[in-house]
Amino acid sequence: EAQVTQNPRYLITVTGKKLTVTCSQNMNHEYMSWYRQDPGLGLRQIYYSMNVEVTDKGDVPEGYKVSRKEKRNFPLILESPSPNQTSLYFCASSLSQGSYGYTFGSGTRLTVV
Amino acid sequence: EDQVTQSPEALRLQEGESSSLNCSYTVSGLRGLFWYRQDPGKGPEFLFTLYSAGEEKEKERLKATLTKKESFLHITAPKPEDSATYLCAVPRVSGGSYIPTFGRGTSLIVHP
Repeated sequence: EAQVTQNPRYLITVTGKKLTVTCSQNMNHEYMSWYRQDPGLGLRQIYYSMNVEVTDKGDVPEGYKVSRKEKRNFPLILESPSPNQTSLYFCASSLSQGSYGYTFGSGTRLTVV
Repeated sequence: EDQVTQSPEALRLQEGESSSLNCSYTVSGLRGLFWYRQDPGKGPEFLFTLYSAGEEKEKERLKATLTKKESFLHITAPKPEDSATYLCAVPRVSGGSYIPTFGRGTSLIVHP
C-alpha cells in the first residue's frame, strides 16, 4: 500500500530532551516536507526537501532540523524541544514540488512539558 | 501578503442539504489551488487541484470550481460520511521555490 509512515503517533517529552520523529514513504517520491498544525493557525510548513541531500526552510523552521540521506526517509529533529513546539506534526510527500497531490502521514502528536 | 481565507469556519447540514464552502486567495501568479479533506486524528487527504479560472473537477458528491479570486467546493446531497474538515491551499513563491499556504479549514458536520 502506498503510504507515508510517521513514528511515533504520540509523544510526551520534557523541555530540552532531544527527539526525532521519523518519516518514511514507499512511493519513490522526490519531494518530502514537514508541517505543524495548530488550532486557529492551520497547517504551516516547517522544512521541505526536493531530493536527497537537498533541504530548505519553510515558514516556521526555528527550533527544528531535518536531513535527507535517503530518498524514502525524512526525519524531523528537535534538538532542544520547548513547550511552544507542542503541536500536531505531519510529514507529506509528492512526486515533485510542483505535484500538489501530497500524500500525508497520519500525524505525530507531540507534547513538550 | 499572500493569504488564503476559508469560510465559513464551521457548517452544519442535514443529510441531503446541498451547500458550498469558499476559499478566497490573494496570491500573485496563481500556480494552482488544491483541496484536501481531513478527518479527526488523521492526515489530510488530497481531493483536487485546479489550475485556471473556469476549471471544474468532480468527485462523487463534491465539485470544485475556480475563479480568479476564489474557489468553491460544492457538496451536493451530502451524507454523514462527508463530515470532515476541508482545507484549501495555494503555493506561493518563496526564494525560488513554492511553499503551500493553507487556509484554516471549514469544519463540516452532516447530520443524518
